[in-house]
Amino acid sequence: SQQGEEDPQALSIQEGENATMNCSYKTSINNLQWYRQNSGRGLVHLILIRSNEREKHSGRLRVTLDTSKKSSSLLITASRAADTASYFCATVLNYGGSQGNLIFGKGTKLSVKP
Amino acid sequence: SQTIHQWPATLVQPVGSPLSLECTVEGTSNPNLYWYRQAAGRGLQLLFYSVGIGQISSEVPQNLSASRPQDRQFILSSKKLLLSDSGFYLCAWSGASSFWVTEAFFGQGTRLTVV
Repeated sequence: SQQGEEDPQALSIQEGENATMNCSYKTSINNLQWYRQNSGRGLVHLILIRSNEREKHSGRLRVTLDTSKKSSSLLITASRAADTASYFCATVLNYGGSQGNLIFGKGTKLSVKP
Repeated sequence: SQTIHQWPATLVQPVGSPLSLECTVEGTSNPNLYWYRQAAGRGLQLLFYSVGIGQISSEVPQNLSASRPQDRQFILSSKKLLLSDSGFYLCAWSGASSFWVTEAFFGQGTRLTVV
């Protein structure tokens, strides 16, 4: 079953604006990751945030994690047309005794208009 | 550097025919390997994962099977394809140096259409 659920399902913004995508999950996690997928291609890892971290930055990306609310957000600042893609959150469950697997949400489709 | 190869890129197969998709990884040893399926406009569904040669775990019951005959080779198979097997199949690997999965690297995917 799905662990993560992204919100919104689709987002359309103008170039230069900020884009915020949210992810909610259900069970305790070890880490949460964000991936990007261009249409018809494989996924590319963007950023990983561990359960004991609250915020992380990478270039124009900012990720927050609130374990009490079981939610994360991805902020893309000063968006560009090239940021148009689908964005997925993926969680690694925090169960002991085995290596966790990446469980993906359904993704947010971001469209950045020039 | 590590690379992942997945082929073919597209495949059209008749119902009832067999399937074999291959994925190989270069530049790393003892990776965790994964097969995902993505239906149109949907998220990724984990089908199989492997933490070592001959070790396969299945996440969902289905018409598919997976094998890992070599450390860096992961094969997805079916004896008889169904229409519902159509989708975008993605192979991925992650490092096994840490206890929990960290970054995963994906192949470019195989678009399978069963007709």
